[in-house]
Amino acid sequence: KAGVTQTPRYLIKTRGQQVTLSCSPISGHRSVSWYQQTPGQGLQFLFEYFSETQRNKGNFPGRFSGRQFSNSRSEMNVSTLELGDSALYLCASSTVQGLPREQYFGPGTRLTVT
Amino acid sequence: AQSVTQLDSQVPVFEEAPVELRCNYSSSVSVYLFWYVQYPNQGLQLLLKYLSGSTLVKGINGFEAEFNKSQTSFHLRKPSVHISDTAEYFCAVSDQNAGNMLTFGGGTRLMVKP
Repeated sequence: KAGVTQTPRYLIKTRGQQVTLSCSPISGHRSVSWYQQTPGQGLQFLFEYFSETQRNKGNFPGRFSGRQFSNSRSEMNVSTLELGDSALYLCASSTVQGLPREQYFGPGTRLTVT
Repeated sequence: AQSVTQLDSQVPVFEEAPVELRCNYSSSVSVYLFWYVQYPNQGLQLLLKYLSGSTLVKGINGFEAEFNKSQTSFHLRKPSVHISDTAEYFCAVSDQNAGNMLTFGGGTRLMVKP
């Protein structure tokens, strides 16, 4: 079974621009979560989507948004990029049937904002 | 609110020596606990998880962890490490109210020396 895929793997953007990252979950997984990883703040939860609905949201400004499509693929968008948005963005997918909700992570998209 | 503390940011150890990576958590409800490993330029891979039942949990690559409710700890151990175990290790907590949201510790960099 193919794992979680994220595109692109690397991205360089300029401050003030916007960016869209994509995540394709493992086949059959309907939940997709996003995390930001930085050296200073570590791994922080951004949001989770299930059945095209945002189920949970972390403590990030409104510039960070996401969506999920009917095939469970998810995108996250960051508008008006700031230097501090430079990070590794990780996507994780899971099944929501029963517990625990073991999550499988993709390789991440490394975003550099200059 | 949940929190996770990994007491050591770096742990140097010689090859074939035993190692323990420490993790303490705080939560007001019953928790699920996880250890993930991250190799350079990769996503997170699940090593093991505690959901309920036996407090000694065995995972992949010879790792094991023990859940201690009274000490709110979930320390990771391996009796004999290899050079290939050099990586960053993350302890994470979730609970029945958190959905798929994981709260991560700051990580411990395990450095195995020949």
